Amino acid sequence: EIVLTQSPGTLSLSPGERATLSCRASQSVSSSYLAWYQQKPGQAPRLLIYGASSRATGIPDRFSGSGSGTDFTLTISRLEPEDFAVYYCQQYGSFWTFGQGTKVEIK
Amino acid sequence: QVQLVQSGAEVKKPGASVKVSCKASGYTFTSYDINWVRQATGQGLEWMGWMNPNSGNTGYAQKFQGRVTMTRNTSISTAYMELSSLRSEDTAVYYCARGYIAAAGVPWGQGTLVTVSS
Repeated sequence: EIVLTQSPGTLSLSPGERATLSCRASQSVSSSYLAWYQQKPGQAPRLLIYGASSRATGIPDRFSGSGSGTDFTLTISRLEPEDFAVYYCQQYGSFWTFGQGTKVEIK
Repeated sequence: QVQLVQSGAEVKKPGASVKVSCKASGYTFTSYDINWVRQATGQGLEWMGWMNPNSGNTGYAQKFQGRVTMTRNTSISTAYMELSSLRSEDTAVYYCARGYIAAAGVPWGQGTLVTVSS
């Protein structure tokens, strides 16, 4: 089983600032089958990034993903008020597993 | 549009079983896997397993092996997840999600709250 470890657990930032979220895998994620989701309270997760760096339809270009192998990053270039939420990475190359999440909160 | 609609909230006693349904619409049900994910209050997402609606083949996370069963009824485009020997730690929101991860996004059900309490 591939274990995903996200850091930091919580990120306290102000609107307009840049957010950098990390996701490290216990073994290489095949074919960059790495996704990022955003989840707000009371809602199901929403896909932001798939294939490590491709934005899903309708996702603003302030969201970007990068990385390969075991190290992946989600960057939000300028935080908007609606971006404060919990973010999860997911690998889908060998069944599914999720990281434990990073909460992006308003400073 | 693609939709996954789940059954309503359940309250169960420890040791009982629960069966959650997930009805698909807006696409060919047998063309995409269905995954089940759960989330305890204030906790992260935990993958439970997947099912191929066409073949009925399944794969379960090791943690749930022997306690979870995923089935389907293709005539009504519905997937089911049954969890047995419930304990308080199984209290969570259970989601179904379509298994194809690509540009169009990943449809998720609205979630089903299962509460296990004596």
